[in-house]
Amino acid sequence: QVQLQESGPGLVKPSETLSLTCTVSGGSISGYYWSWIRQPPGKRLECIGYIYYSGSTNYNPSFKSRVTISIDTSKNQFSLKLSSVTAADTAMYYCARVLDYYGSGSYTPYGFDIWGPGTMVTVSS
Amino acid sequence: SYELTQPPSVSVSPGQTASITCSGDKLGDRYTCWYQQKPGQSPLLVIYQDRKRPSGIPERFSGSNSGNTATLTISGAQAMDEADYYCQAWDSSTLVFGGGTKLTVL
Repeated sequence: QVQLQESGPGLVKPSETLSLTCTVSGGSISGYYWSWIRQPPGKRLECIGYIYYSGSTNYNPSFKSRVTISIDTSKNQFSLKLSSVTAADTAMYYCARVLDYYGSGSYTPYGFDIWGPGTMVTVSS
Repeated sequence: SYELTQPPSVSVSPGQTASITCSGDKLGDRYTCWYQQKPGQSPLLVIYQDRKRPSGIPERFSGSNSGNTATLTISGAQAMDEADYYCQAWDSSTLVFGGGTKLTVL
């Protein structure tokens, strides 16, 4: 079955760029949307953005100026870059596969069916 | 921005029925998903498209969505169902989560 695994530094300095990679195993990355979600300690889950296997992206407006999500279908991986981080970006970061449905001539994402175990990222000097 | 509101906590006795609500403007017009999250684990999808259960999710989990409220119902709650539950829906360009409900089975 499809499994996801996040990887990347667990500690990032303020003002620097947070970089994470999600590796998809047990299935192809093609044909799906993929997403990054985070959960600050004691707070709600928050979708950062998502990417289609073709490379088209959609970002949460709260992050739009700082975030880049990219995909490498040859490696079955997708990645997150979040720039100018502060302590408020300290969180558990998850990657997930996105569920979508077809309607009105387009595909619309609506949920997440497979999640990685998550990786804790702390922003501190 | 779109907001989803859940009660912070719900308690249920073992074997009884627990209902967790999720409120949002015209939520019934959108697909809602529900996730179970136990301490130290990633979220697990338990309901999608308002009322469908993924393979492996027990039948005691059910969902509904109408008007401004979606509801997750756990019939015959068990100790293993004690967890945080999050609702989630799509809005414009992003997917939004509720604040989560801590379900206590005692």
